[in-house]
Formats: sequence, C-alpha cells, structure tokens
Amino acid sequence: EDQVTQSPEALRLQEGESSSLNCSYTVSGLRGLFWYRQDPGKGPEFLFTLYSAGEEKEKERLKATLTKKESFLHITAPKPEDSATYLCAVQATSGTYKYIFGTGTRLKVLA
Amino acid sequence: NAGVTQTPKFQVLKTGQSMTLQCAQDMNHNSMYWYRQDPGMGLRLIYYSASEGTTDKGEVPNGYNVSRLNKREFSLRLESAAPSQTSVYFCASSQGGGTLNIQYFGAGTRLSVL
Repeated sequence: EDQVTQSPEALRLQEGESSSLNCSYTVSGLRGLFWYRQDPGKGPEFLFTLYSAGEEKEKERLKATLTKKESFLHITAPKPEDSATYLCAVQATSGTYKYIFGTGTRLKVLA
Repeated sequence: NAGVTQTPKFQVLKTGQSMTLQCAQDMNHNSMYWYRQDPGMGLRLIYYSASEGTTDKGEVPNGYNVSRLNKREFSLRLESAAPSQTSVYFCASSQGGGTLNIQYFGAGTRLSVL
C-alpha cells in the first residue's frame, strides 16, 4: 500500500537554528514528490517538486532533497516567518494523478 | 491572478441539511480535486476529475457527490450533512499528466455540521 510518513510531527526551533524535516514514502513507482507549506487558515502553497533520487531544489532558506526512500526539507537559519506546517505528498506512476499526503510537520520558529 | 477560488469560506449546517461547495480555477487546468483535511489525518481525496466530463472516487467519497460543470468549475455536494463531515474542504487543480501535475489549492471552506 502506498504510504507517506512525516517526522517529526512538531518542531520548535530558535531563530537561526538549522534543522531538517523528514518525509519517508512507500510507493510502487514514484512519479513525483511534492513539498507544500500551509499557514493557519490557508490552503497549501506549493514549494518544490522532485522527480528522481539525487535531485535537489532550493528556495531561499529551504532545500529539498530526494532519495529512493525519503525526502528531506532542510531549513537553514530559519526566521519566525518560516513558521508553518510543511506537507509532503507523493504521486505514483501507476494509474491516475492522485497525491498521497503525509500528515505534516508543524514548525515553530522562535525569535 | 485568482488561481483557485472556493466559496463559501465558512458554513454551519444542521444535521440533514444539504449544501454545495463551489470551486473555480482560472489557470486553464484539466484536472480538479476535492480534499478534506482533519486534525491528525492529513489531506484525504474525496473525488477528482481528471478532465472535463469525467469524475472518479477518491479515498473517502461516501456522503458526497461532485459535478464537473465545465473546465473551470468543480462542485462538491453534501446531500444530507452529518457531524462526521465537519472538516476543512480544499479544492485543487492541476494541468494533468506527466511532469506538469503540480496541484494548486484554494483557501478552503470551513464546514461545521451540528
């Protein structure tokens, strides 16, 4: 069964304290892995998509990496405005365009 | 630059009442989706429409119906609302197919069923 697990569930960081969020996945064949940011009361906002092991994408303080079993979202020197829930989703090669979402990591960055 | 627009933003229903959640996208996308988001459960797919004129069940379709009215609009109907349908509902759209299948989400509809 296709599955996505994110860890930790919640993370508190001091401003400037770098860390990583994990997304482990089990899927028959990976079409793509997607990272989203969700602020309270809003819809998910697209950040990155990764398609093959070894691929990396960067945007400001965020860097996403992909292996055959997991993806990491590295946050370098975070700021309070990086506080949000980060969602990971995978799309399998079989069948349709459906995503399978993880339950997210709630990040709080303290000033 | 509206993207995906959902109406209403908030709704309170009594058990047994019906309502339709509306979704429209202006990105000329082929595929559209309805999700519900519950604490600790993540986003779960209710129904999707791969292209205009087609709809398919997702992970949790019971108690819901959908209509793909045209390429822009995809509505979700609750015929007889139940407290278990209290949730936040998100509509999303994507170009569909291959490497272009990034889903873009609306701001959500927060529904309470009493």
